[in-house]
Amino acid sequence: AQKITQTQPGMFVQEKEAVTLDCTYDTSDPSYGLFWYKQPSSGEMIFLIYQGSYDQQNATEGRYSLNFQKARKSANLVISASQLGDSAMYFCAMRDLNSGNTPLVFGKGTRLSVIA
Amino acid sequence: NAGVTQTPKFQVLKTGQSMTLQCAQDMNHNSMYWYRQDPGMGLRLIYYSASEGTTDKGEVPNGYNVSRLNKREFSLRLESAAPSQTSVYFCASSEALPRRARQTYNSPLHFGNGTRLTVT
Repeated sequence: AQKITQTQPGMFVQEKEAVTLDCTYDTSDPSYGLFWYKQPSSGEMIFLIYQGSYDQQNATEGRYSLNFQKARKSANLVISASQLGDSAMYFCAMRDLNSGNTPLVFGKGTRLSVIA
Repeated sequence: NAGVTQTPKFQVLKTGQSMTLQCAQDMNHNSMYWYRQDPGMGLRLIYYSASEGTTDKGEVPNGYNVSRLNKREFSLRLESAAPSQTSVYFCASSEALPRRARQTYNSPLHFGNGTRLTVT
């Protein structure tokens, strides 16, 4: 069974600083995908970034990058140059890619607060 | 571009009442999902439908039923609501993933805006 662990219930970061949100995962499947979602206070779930287990390079999307360390089973989200609008809940999730249309398994989330 | 539409946005039920949460997507996705979100618990899967005509239980299916009405619509029914079902419910959809080794295709879930349900 797949499992996602986010050990930081809450994080604070100063505006314009970088922040790393931790995510570790557990799976026996060799082919899997890792996702990060943002949930602002308005409640919607916003897809941020994706990393496939066979991808050779770390994924990047604008100010978001994913620090993927396969041997350590970690997929940390790095947000550079934090903005006040980055204050939100962040969820790490994964899915098996070998078995067709499997659902995402989510971690419990990290609440990020950006301070001016 | 509507994406995934959920109705209603808010609902208050008394214990024992029934209701159906509606979900529709206009992205021609094969797969649809129902999750619930509770404080400190993340999102937990209730049921999903990998393709039209199929449904499968997730992590927390007890007290719920689902219907994949057609490719666009996937409803969630509470037959006899309980206070433990107070939660925020999210519907999501995604493209089909072909089965192949060394899969690298990215198919994120697209979420609706959620239904906040309170059972008193």
